[in-house]
Amino acid sequence: EAGVAQSPRYKIIEKRQSVAFWCNPISGHATLYWYQQILGQGPKLLIQFQNNGVVDDSQLPKDRFSAERLKGVDSTLKIQPAKLEDSAVYLCASSSGGGAGGHGTQYFGPGTRLLVL
Amino acid sequence: SQELEQSPQSLIVQEGKNLTINCTSSKTLYGLYWYKQKYGEGLIFLMMLQKGGEEKSHEKITAKLDEKKQQSSLHITASQPSHAGIYLCGADNRGNTPLVFGKGTRLSVIA
Repeated sequence: EAGVAQSPRYKIIEKRQSVAFWCNPISGHATLYWYQQILGQGPKLLIQFQNNGVVDDSQLPKDRFSAERLKGVDSTLKIQPAKLEDSAVYLCASSSGGGAGGHGTQYFGPGTRLLVL
Repeated sequence: SQELEQSPQSLIVQEGKNLTINCTSSKTLYGLYWYKQKYGEGLIFLMMLQKGGEEKSHEKITAKLDEKKQQSSLHITASQPSHAGIYLCGADNRGNTPLVFGKGTRLSVIA
């Protein structure tokens, strides 16, 4: 079974530029998550989708970050304009939902490492 | 909001030695997940614990959730270089809230 796919793996941009990340979850997983992981910290949830609807985006900086999950499969996360403090690893995860814990186990992609100069 | 504290922050052990990593929650845990992360890679799921007193093992890694469901420990027996990485605990305190993660424990295993 294929895992969660993300691209690109690395991205370097200058501040005030825009950037987009793509995620393809495990086939059949209804729930998709985007996390931000700053160096030395644990991942922090940015947004959670259930199919193509937003479940939780309370920690998403909506003035510069946006995300969509058209057709309830792939998802894109965009930052516009980027700031220096956005340098981090952006992780996508998916789960089948339900089961123990309410979410089901989350499976993570390899992440996109973003450096903003 | 729930917070998870992991200890130690980093650990260097000699190959073959045993070690324990702890994860303490500020609230009662509904579910506790352990993940491993290697530099530049995503998180690899290790185990999930839900019941107080529950213990699970996979190869040489054992995780336990205490009876009060506010602390979990991860124990590695006879550590190997392949065990090196960052171990993260993630908590689910109500079943419908997103996972909250600790800051991780960085493990190095030296020959």
